[in-house]
Amino acid sequence: RKEVEQDPGPFNVPEGATVAFNCTYSNSASQSFFWYRQDCRKEPKLLMSVYSSGNEDGRFTAQLNRASQYISLLIRDSKLSDSATYLCVVNRDDKIIFGKGTRLHILP
Amino acid sequence: SAVISQKPSRDICQRGTSLTIQCQVDSQVTMMFWYRQQPGQSLTLIATANQGSEATYESGFVIDKFPISRPNLTFSTLTVSNMSPEDSSIYLCSVGGVFGDEQYFGPGTRLTVT
Repeated sequence: RKEVEQDPGPFNVPEGATVAFNCTYSNSASQSFFWYRQDCRKEPKLLMSVYSSGNEDGRFTAQLNRASQYISLLIRDSKLSDSATYLCVVNRDDKIIFGKGTRLHILP
Repeated sequence: SAVISQKPSRDICQRGTSLTIQCQVDSQVTMMFWYRQQPGQSLTLIATANQGSEATYESGFVIDKFPISRPNLTFSTLTVSNMSPEDSSIYLCSVGGVFGDEQYFGPGTRLTVT
């Protein structure tokens, strides 16, 4: 079992809709969590950290469920520019582990 | 966040040759990281490069194949030695964030080995 798992998608979502995807992690000792965004043929860029209490940044909401060992990302009022691959990232003992990513296509 | 540049941005190389990738940061950073991202795959950490000491390699990566230099706090190089087509990948350098353990990436070097 991979340490960080994501549904690869693609998620094809009409513009304006709300979309959510999860990421599960296997090691309960994982300490910090992030969502990164990677556009085609570009480097990953930090989207947001994920805090235990949940956090929101504009249209994006991230949540952490330590008991069930998953994190989630919710995108409201999706835009065409949200089309990208979203990478779930977990830090365990100063080791950064990337998921394979979830591809999101926003349809006009 | 730091501004990170990499050179070259892409290259096509013949098997058996070596390529050195450069990573330059616009501010002094303690730790720099080198990753590989193969087509359709996630990022895999190759090694951590600290200034003034030898790089720390992850399982499956060795210094003879991926020698790393870190001569100062703003610069590092990764060499891909004796290349084979399996080394075709995107190579990315990154630096840690100031306030947490997030990372910031350079634009990557797209390597094709023929």
